[in-house]
Amino acid sequence: DTGVSQDPRHKITKRGQNVTFRCDPISEHNRLYWYRQTLGQGPEFLTYFQNEAQLEKSRLLSDRFSAERPKGSFSTLEIQRTEQGDSAMYLCASSGPGTTNTEAFFGQGTRLTVV
Amino acid sequence: AQKVTQAQTEISVVEKEDVTLDCVYETRDTTYYLFWYKQPPSGELVFLIRRNSFDEQNEISGRYSWNFQKSTSSFNFTITASQVVDSAVYFCALRGGYGGSQGNLIFGKGTKLSVKP
Repeated sequence: DTGVSQDPRHKITKRGQNVTFRCDPISEHNRLYWYRQTLGQGPEFLTYFQNEAQLEKSRLLSDRFSAERPKGSFSTLEIQRTEQGDSAMYLCASSGPGTTNTEAFFGQGTRLTVV
Repeated sequence: AQKVTQAQTEISVVEKEDVTLDCVYETRDTTYYLFWYKQPPSGELVFLIRRNSFDEQNEISGRYSWNFQKSTSSFNFTITASQVVDSAVYFCALRGGYGGSQGNLIFGKGTKLSVKP
């Protein structure tokens, strides 16, 4: 399967714990995005990488959130000291190569539940 | 500021009916890109179409068609002869063409389409 892959698909954690999600983009894509989606809402942009450089971060990305893409391939999104409000679907997408006028392809998401 | 509005929260139709999903956008960019995505119950967002701001040609793909009108800032999506498998949440999205907005897809809140047999 050459689509965007996310792991894990589901994560249940206790409030205050740290969690880390992984995203493997489509191999030839140089841009990678993280979004968050809550029930009944559209996805909200969190952050964006071009190769290994993090070019854009949303105000939604508080200090407890950190994303990395160390070698310009896979990416991780870490949430420290999770709160119940962090419960959501976390979506990863990739696009490219080339200019920005290309569509983003999404993974199946990681559903986080903070109890 | 960029914004996408999908005024229809939920639509219910009977199979074989035609249905149009509305999308209105706001942007100050002169170059921008519009998208439609489908999110079935499985949760994965499926890309349907991309339209560039300088290309106002309407597009038809099988039972799907899209009507892009810059004059009204609308990018509407029509499904002809709907089928049960079309049941999903449909999102319209906007991406700017310059500067910091290049990476950021702005999504509407989505329209939930239910097609009943």
